[in-house]
Amino acid sequence: GESVGLHLPTLSVQEGDNSIINCAYSNSASDYFIWYKQESGKGPQFIIDIRSNMDKRQGQRVTVLLNKTVKHLSLQIAATQPGDSAVYFCAENTGTASKLTFGTGTRLQVTL
Amino acid sequence: NAGVMQNPRHLVRRRGQEARLRCSPMKGHSHVYWYRQLPEEGLKFMVYLQKENIIDESGMPKERFSAEFPKEGPSILRIQQVVRGDSAAYFCASSPNQAGYSYNEQFFGPGTRLTVL
Repeated sequence: GESVGLHLPTLSVQEGDNSIINCAYSNSASDYFIWYKQESGKGPQFIIDIRSNMDKRQGQRVTVLLNKTVKHLSLQIAATQPGDSAVYFCAENTGTASKLTFGTGTRLQVTL
Repeated sequence: NAGVMQNPRHLVRRRGQEARLRCSPMKGHSHVYWYRQLPEEGLKFMVYLQKENIIDESGMPKERFSAEFPKEGPSILRIQQVVRGDSAAYFCASSPNQAGYSYNEQFFGPGTRLTVL
């Protein structure tokens, strides 16, 4: 289930189950969104991106859904594996700026 | 093709000293971004540079912090007279930005973890 830890919300899932990680963004002008995975002691690793003219995009075992009406982004991971354990961040970008604005992150814990 | 390189990976400084963090972008990338991350938080944008130009420094503190990306060599983030609050992980990212094209995947380095004693 989902719980709020000391700082980062944590999602615990069993190996083999599907994971859904959510992100709310605030800037309605944002038109490009990225999901990053960050393992302990490492830099963020690109997972998948989506532009605002799309509402769904699929990669290998991952799907990103974008709902611009409610400014919500989600990352779905199919058949979650122990190696998926990490902190996941969404990031947004507007067409007029190259900087990324990151969300607060969700820690995914995969249990055996 | 080597990824984004950052050094040092760990840096310890005493209050009042200077910290210099280096970033070499991926081959072919001419755009560099610096972000700061506090424990259990997301990354916060600091500065965006192209070769010999600062494009956006809206996230950079006005005092003690500076950044450069010279024509030759790595990008440098410099923190003068460090204080304990500067302790954080500093990440560099690079992108192959094309002029007028803002949808850029940013590739991140492993980060430099700065500890101020």
